Amino acid sequence: AQSVTQLGSHVSVSEGALVLLRCNYSSSVPPYLFWYVQYPNQGLQLLLKYTSAATLVKGINGFEAEFKKSETSFHLTKPSAHMSDAAEYFCAVSSNSGYALNFGKGTSLLVTP
Amino acid sequence: DTEVTQTPKHLVMGMTNKKSLKCEQHMGHRAMYWYKQKAKKPPELMFVYSYEKLSINESVPSRFSPECPNSSLLNLHLHALQPEDSALYLCASSQEYRGDGETQYFGPGTRLLVL
Repeated sequence: AQSVTQLGSHVSVSEGALVLLRCNYSSSVPPYLFWYVQYPNQGLQLLLKYTSAATLVKGINGFEAEFKKSETSFHLTKPSAHMSDAAEYFCAVSSNSGYALNFGKGTSLLVTP
Repeated sequence: DTEVTQTPKHLVMGMTNKKSLKCEQHMGHRAMYWYKQKAKKPPELMFVYSYEKLSINESVPSRFSPECPNSSLLNLHLHALQPEDSALYLCASSQEYRGDGETQYFGPGTRLLVL
């Protein structure tokens, strides 16, 4: 079975600062990894996904994530935070042995002026 | 177009009511999903339909009854719900239900309050 752990349920950054949201995965088979964002009172929107094509994945809104097998990590970064980035972020994993998405518990990102 | 639509946006119902949630996608996707999301929690999978057939039922109580009338439409029929069923109900779809990194596209959700 595969799972993800998101370190830090709340992250606060200043506007213009680096955003780093952490996600570690556990999977006995090659994983497929996703980052979704959820703005208040909305559904989930895909930011980016890793499917083994490239370890550095670029997504929407300036976000990117790097797959590091040695560290079993897939951390999400953005060089400069905007106020509009304030939202809940979910890391998720699936694989060819478990098709369903398994979500992490989520990280709430707060951006301060 | 990667849009999944859900109606209604909000729903308030009593414990004896019968209501339905509707989800629609026109992306030609053959897999559709229902999730339940409580506040400050990740979505929890309830049901998966693949090619209009129920593939996964995550031990959901029978007061929730899914239906997939065609490949574009997914319903969730609600009956005799409990207050603890109050949550955001999310629908999602993907090209297929298979394990090669299929992206699931989510609708905006229906916020349900059971009184």
